[in-house]
Amino acid sequence: AQSVTQLGSHVSVSEGALVLLRCNYSSSVPPYLFWYVQYPNQGLQLLLKYTTGATLVKGINGFEAEFKKSETSFHLTKPSAHMSDAAEYFCALMYSGGGADGLTFGKGTHLIIQP
Amino acid sequence: DTGVSQDPRHKITKRGQNVTFRCDPISEHNRLYWYRQTLGQGPEFLTYFQNEAQLEKSRLLSDRFSAERPKGSFSTLEIQRTEQGDSAMYLCASSLGGGSTNEKLFFGSGTQLSVL
Repeated sequence: AQSVTQLGSHVSVSEGALVLLRCNYSSSVPPYLFWYVQYPNQGLQLLLKYTTGATLVKGINGFEAEFKKSETSFHLTKPSAHMSDAAEYFCALMYSGGGADGLTFGKGTHLIIQP
Repeated sequence: DTGVSQDPRHKITKRGQNVTFRCDPISEHNRLYWYRQTLGQGPEFLTYFQNEAQLEKSRLLSDRFSAERPKGSFSTLEIQRTEQGDSAMYLCASSLGGGSTNEKLFFGSGTQLSVL
């Protein structure tokens, strides 16, 4: 069975500060890992993904994530938070075979940006 | 707009009524997924299609839920005899499929169902 755990349902940072959203996974086979962002009343938008190769993945809007197999983690970071980053963030995994289950999501982390 | 389209955006219904939602995927995408998202939770996989074939439906929440994709293009999700617990956001996603490293799901904006 596969699962995703996001630590912290809410994270609050000051504008300009480092953003760190934590994600740990459990999977019996090498997974593909994703971060999605959801703005109010909008669909999920892909921020970045890891499939194979380089473990540090860069995405849109200045976000990046590092796949650490030994720690089964895929934490999302951004060096300097912007007010527009306030949203719900979801970590997700998929079996590397493109499995029939589609994506398995974590419960999400609500990112709050303080002015 | 060439993204995933869902209709309606909002649906309010009375308990016991049937509802149907529609999803139009990105035109060249052969895989189509349905998810449900409740407040404070991540999306939960329900079912998926490869072209017109429904390849996984064991995760549909009950026999009141059914989905179709008759011509391999748009899909419908029907909930019969709705219950208040069915109130949620229903999301559709599509992808090129194939399990390659380019596998990527594109999501629609969802249909928000409220059962009174």
